[in-house]
Amino acid sequence: GNSVTQMEGPVTLSEEAFLTINCTYTATGYPSLFWYVQYPGEGLQLLLKATKADDKGSNKGFEATYRKETTSFHLEKGSVQVSDSAVYFCAFRSPGNQGGKLIFGQGTELSVKP
Amino acid sequence: KAGVTQTPRYLIKTRGQQVTLSCSPISGHRSVSWYQQTPGQGLQFLFEYFSETQRNKGNFPGRFSGRQFSNSRSEMNVSTLELGDSALYLCASSLVGPEAVGYTFGSGTRLTVV
Repeated sequence: GNSVTQMEGPVTLSEEAFLTINCTYTATGYPSLFWYVQYPGEGLQLLLKATKADDKGSNKGFEATYRKETTSFHLEKGSVQVSDSAVYFCAFRSPGNQGGKLIFGQGTELSVKP
Repeated sequence: KAGVTQTPRYLIKTRGQQVTLSCSPISGHRSVSWYQQTPGQGLQFLFEYFSETQRNKGNFPGRFSGRQFSNSRSEMNVSTLELGDSALYLCASSLVGPEAVGYTFGSGTRLTVV
């Protein structure tokens, strides 16, 4: 069935370190892919998205490329800051589903130390 | 413009009671989706409403129900509450059709069942 697998956390990095959070999905066709971020006590915020193969989503220094051949959408940032500490969720929406049903990964907690 | 507004932010209920949560979408967004977030199960899709009709439904028991009004505001109801219903309930709104490539989430309602 449809699913998303993220690398397990927590991930602890020092400030200015390089970040990669792996995400792979299982779905038919070409889903739309998303990364959401959740800060403590808050809801989800859309970080970036990609809607077709080879698209690169980017925002606030974060990037992710839609890789159809490896069914992956890994999140990267070249230099993390303490303020990036949060839980990151990879998600997709099945093709043909124009509605609001998102399938989420289990989330990866990121902790950035000064 | 105003974001997605969920009320109340916090709620404490007793087992066996029922509860109603409210969600006001972003102006112009006609699709409203609901998600349950728990530490054990992560983010799970409950249902989605569009034009006052339920369009998608997740795998939750019939105790979970919802509705949408003509102004797109939505409510979800949980009857006969169980301890396991304690969770953060998130609402998301979106446009519909090809332009619906982003979902905006509210801050959620934290429900505690005692």
